[in-house]
Amino acid sequence: AQSVTQLGSHVSVSEGALVLLRCNYSSSVPPYLFWYVQYPNQGLQLLLKYTSAATLVKGINGFEAEFKKSETSFHLTKPSAHMSDAAEYFCAVGGGNQFYFGTGTSLTVIP
Amino acid sequence: GAGVSQTPSNKVTEKGKYVELRCDPISGHTALYWYRQSLGQGPEFLIYFQGTGAADDSGLPNDRFFAVRPEGSVSTLKIQRTERGDSAVYLCASSLNPRLVPTDTQYFGPGTRLTVL
Repeated sequence: AQSVTQLGSHVSVSEGALVLLRCNYSSSVPPYLFWYVQYPNQGLQLLLKYTSAATLVKGINGFEAEFKKSETSFHLTKPSAHMSDAAEYFCAVGGGNQFYFGTGTSLTVIP
Repeated sequence: GAGVSQTPSNKVTEKGKYVELRCDPISGHTALYWYRQSLGQGPEFLIYFQGTGAADDSGLPNDRFFAVRPEGSVSTLKIQRTERGDSAVYLCASSLNPRLVPTDTQYFGPGTRLTVL
């Protein structure tokens, strides 16, 4: 069975501050891990994905995530938050034909 | 088209009615997925198509839900005898190469917001 847990349904950061969104996974097989972003009234957009290559994955818009097997984590970070980063972020794990999404983290950026 | 499109964007219906939700994937994408996203939750897998056939329908909640993709492109999600608990945003996604599942990137449509009164 596979699942992801996102810690913190709401995160607020100041503009220019570090963004850290947490995701822990559970998987009985080597996982494929994803981060998606959802802007209001838009579809989910892939930020980055881990597919068993490099453990540090760089994505779009300056985001990156590090796969840590020992911690079963795949946290999303960005060094400096922009106002345009305000959105809902979803972590997901892929297995078989299915993807299992977390419950999401809403990011607010304070000017 | 340029992206995945879904129609209608909003659908309001009464309890017990039948609804159809349409998904038009990216041209050439052979894999198509349906998800349901309830308020405050992440997307929940419903069904996955490879071409015309449903390769995995284990996420459909009950037999009131059915989906088709007769020509391997457009897909329709059908819900019979709708219930208030069916209210959610229904998302469609497509990907290019089903043989790469689950690593292949899924491209999502904007969703259809279904409200059952």
